[in-house]
Amino acid sequence: GQNIDQPTEMTATEGAIVQINCTYQTSGFNGLFWYQQHAGEAPTFLSYNVLDGLEEKGRFSSFLSRSKGYSYLLLKELQMKDSASYLCAVRDSNYQLIWGAGTKLIIKP
Amino acid sequence: DAGVIQSPRHEVTEMGQEVTLRCKPISGHDYLFWYRQTMMRGLELLIYFNNNVPIDDSGMPEDRFSAKMPNASFSTLKIQPSEPRDSAVYFCASSNRDRWENIQYFGAGTRLSVL
Repeated sequence: GQNIDQPTEMTATEGAIVQINCTYQTSGFNGLFWYQQHAGEAPTFLSYNVLDGLEEKGRFSSFLSRSKGYSYLLLKELQMKDSASYLCAVRDSNYQLIWGAGTKLIIKP
Repeated sequence: DAGVIQSPRHEVTEMGQEVTLRCKPISGHDYLFWYRQTMMRGLELLIYFNNNVPIDDSGMPEDRFSAKMPNASFSTLKIQPSEPRDSAVYFCASSNRDRWENIQYFGAGTRLSVL
């Protein structure tokens, strides 16, 4: 079967750095996505990785290792507005997005 | 661009009633997706269309659910009859396969409560 694992919840302090991990087992791989979802709102696109390595976008970076079936989202200089759920999704061989359950990130002052 | 537009934003109905959710995708996008999100099951793909044609409806829970896309700028998801277990947030998303990432962009969602 297809499976994506991410921690259910994480807590971090304002101004700090947090890493949210995602491991996956899917039938084929055509890219990995990270989305941010604030409570009561729609998921919004954060990053896309299809090759191994690190993609940096301002305070957010995403890493991919295809051989390990592993990705992480790194958030630096955390702000209160970063409190949200972060969803990992993998595009499989059928070009379908397989979604993780999401990681709820709580930022404390 | 206006983004994906969904209506209504909130819907409260009684068990047994028909519910119709509406979606206008981003202009020029050739894929449209309907999702359902609950605390218990997370984000679930119900059905998706390519160039207005339904491609995969294996996620549709049962015959009470149906979806149509009569043209490139409009889609509906209908539940008839509705049941309390259908209460969820329903999202519509669209994407453009010509863009190599083929990112899905989501509408604001419809929060459905079936009493």
